[in-house]
Amino acid sequence: DIQMTQSPSSLSASVGDRVTITCRASQTISSYLNWYQQKPGKAPKLLIYAASSLQSGVPSRFSGSGSGTDFTLTISSLQPEDLATYYCQQGYSTPAFGQGTKVEIK
Amino acid sequence: QVQLQESGPGLVKPSGTLSLTCAVSGGSISTNNWWNWVRQPPGKGLEWIGEIYHSGSTNYNPSLKGRVTTSVDKSKNRFSLKLTSVTAADTAVYYCARKAYEGGWFDPWGQGTLVTVSS
Repeated sequence: DIQMTQSPSSLSASVGDRVTITCRASQTISSYLNWYQQKPGKAPKLLIYAASSLQSGVPSRFSGSGSGTDFTLTISSLQPEDLATYYCQQGYSTPAFGQGTKVEIK
Repeated sequence: QVQLQESGPGLVKPSGTLSLTCAVSGGSISTNNWWNWVRQPPGKGLEWIGEIYHSGSTNYNPSLKGRVTTSVDKSKNRFSLKLTSVTAADTAVYYCARKAYEGGWFDPWGQGTLVTVSS
C-alpha cells in the first residue's frame, strides 16, 4: 500500500502570508495527487486534482505542484476563511489520505 | 449538479452491523465513476473504507478485514455500506463520495453522518 505523509501537521500564519504544505508518497504516484480542504464540522472539499489542476470555483490563491513522490499545496496569500485542515490523497492505487495539516490564523 | 446524501441509524450496538445508504441526486449512478465510503473518527483524519462501480465491482480497505460490503441499487440511484462486528473504534462520521474513474479524486461528498457504537 502507498503511504502518504504530510508536513507540517499544523501551522499558524498571518493573513496575507504565503503558506506551503508538503505531501510525500511512499512510492511514485505520477501526478495522481489530490488536495482537499475541510472546515470544522464540514465535509472535505476538493481543491486541487491531478497535482496542479484547480477545481472549478476554488480561489486562484490555491495552487498545487509536484510529481512522482513529492507534492506541494500553496496558498499565496492566506485569508481568514482558509482556516481549515488540508489533506492530500493519492489516486494512483487504493485511495489513501495524508494525516492532515491544520492551518490556523495568527 | 450531483449531490449525495447519507442516511442510516446514528447509534449501533457493539458487535452489531452498521448500515448506511447514500442517495445520489442530480445525475445517474450508472456513470464512469466509483461510489465510495470514507470515514473520520472524532478529531482524527480521513480513512477510506471502500467503493463500488455501477456494474457491482468492488474494492475495500484491507485493514477492515472482510467486515465491509457495499451494494448498488441502480433503480433507486443509491448505494449502501454494511460494516459488521462493530466496536467503539468504528465510531466516526461516515461520508459517501463520488470518485473519478481516472485520476481518483473525490468530488462531490455527502454532508456526512455520525455513527456512534455504544450499548
